[in-house]
Amino acid sequence: DGGITQSPKYLFRKEGQNVTLSCEQNLNHDAMYWYRQDPGQGLRLIYYSQIVNDFQKGDIAEGYSVSREKKESFPLTVTSAQKNPTAFYLCASKGRQGGLVYGYTFGSGTRLTVV
Amino acid sequence: QQQVKQSPQSLIVQKGGIPIINCAYENTAFDYFPWYQQFPGKGPALLIAIRPDVSEKKEGRFTISFNKSAKQFSLHIMDSQPGDSATYFCAAIGSGNTGKLIFGQGTTLQVKP
Repeated sequence: DGGITQSPKYLFRKEGQNVTLSCEQNLNHDAMYWYRQDPGQGLRLIYYSQIVNDFQKGDIAEGYSVSREKKESFPLTVTSAQKNPTAFYLCASKGRQGGLVYGYTFGSGTRLTVV
Repeated sequence: QQQVKQSPQSLIVQKGGIPIINCAYENTAFDYFPWYQQFPGKGPALLIAIRPDVSEKKEGRFTISFNKSAKQFSLHIMDSQPGDSATYFCAAIGSGNTGKLIFGQGTTLQVKP
């Protein structure tokens, strides 16, 4: 089955440490996205990539970095500059999906906690 | 800036009731309006979606009503079940292949047995 795989499911970060969240898709979608979800809030866009080797900042990019070296992969690094990184992180891709013109598929998320 | 406003923030209904979640948007460039269902610890999953040239769409127990002139749309869940208890997000997508997904704030629904 095609889909998006995020790993790890749970991640703990120490103060001052960089951590990288993995996102892999086998849907052959060009566009990929990273969202952050805080309790009781909607999803906020961190970074997105429309094509390999290109990406743009979303609404809350400060303290995060990404790369897009392969179509299938869009890792997110949470740097020490992100002062409040504890959140649920969701990766998504966009492409033709079933009978829809453009559908978004989400991964199962990574819960990051600062310890 | 918030371009899709969703209400209520939370909703409790009895089994068999019809919860209604409302959304309003500002940007007329949106041309696709999906609803997502999210269970705790999981990613959102597409539930149902509509284009603005359609006033209503039904899929099983889920119905979207769309009012283009008022820039409002709503989700109705018929004969709600405890298994429908989840967080629901409305969203809007800008036109074209590069259109980004803009989410509402989400509604937490609890269906009591």
